[in-house]
Amino acid sequence: NAGVTQTPKFQVLKTGQSMTLQCAQDMNHNSMYWYRQDPGMGLRLIYYSASEGTTDKGEVPNGYNVSRLNKREFSLRLESAAPSQTSVYFCASNRREGRETQYFGPGTRLLVL
Amino acid sequence: QKEVEQDPGPLSVPEGAIVSLNCTYSNSAFQYFMWYRQYSRKGPELLMYTYSSGNKEDGRFTAQVDKSSKYISLFIRDSQPSDSATYLCAMSARNNDMRFGAGTRLTVKP
Repeated sequence: NAGVTQTPKFQVLKTGQSMTLQCAQDMNHNSMYWYRQDPGMGLRLIYYSASEGTTDKGEVPNGYNVSRLNKREFSLRLESAAPSQTSVYFCASNRREGRETQYFGPGTRLLVL
Repeated sequence: QKEVEQDPGPLSVPEGAIVSLNCTYSNSAFQYFMWYRQYSRKGPELLMYTYSSGNKEDGRFTAQVDKSSKYISLFIRDSQPSDSATYLCAMSARNNDMRFGAGTRLTVKP
């Protein structure tokens, strides 16, 4: 089991460019999440998908869109990147029922110039 | 005021010391409480999970939740250099709405 995988590991963008961050899990989890982590701010939820075919906004959704492509994959898109979106992005997943454990991917470091 | 407050440290202790990490929160609806460990340039990994109030022990780690005071703690006994990491508290009222503390960076010196 690879767990949660994310691509790319690192990306540099210019202001206004677009990109998609990819996430996949092989644990047959129903729920998937996108977080950003900034110094002094902890992890903040951007969007989540409770199950295939559904997505909902989290704490900081502005400037982002998501797609739950299938049960395994959940992508995050920045349509017009801004320097304020410079951050480390983590994808996570868990079963909807039972324990609240979320399993995290290794992260994508994004720098917007 | 943030929903979850956590002292960012950094905290530096000698090997073998007892470490105490803490978080306070303001939302009385939180009922699931977690501690995650995050090594440098890695994703967080779950260390401890507690539902509602009480204590939970797992090896050298003990998690405590005091809902009346809105205060949670993580104790690490006999700390090791391999415990050097950032520790994040997290809590939620329901499955899909987790709130994290900012994290405390811990260094255990040999």
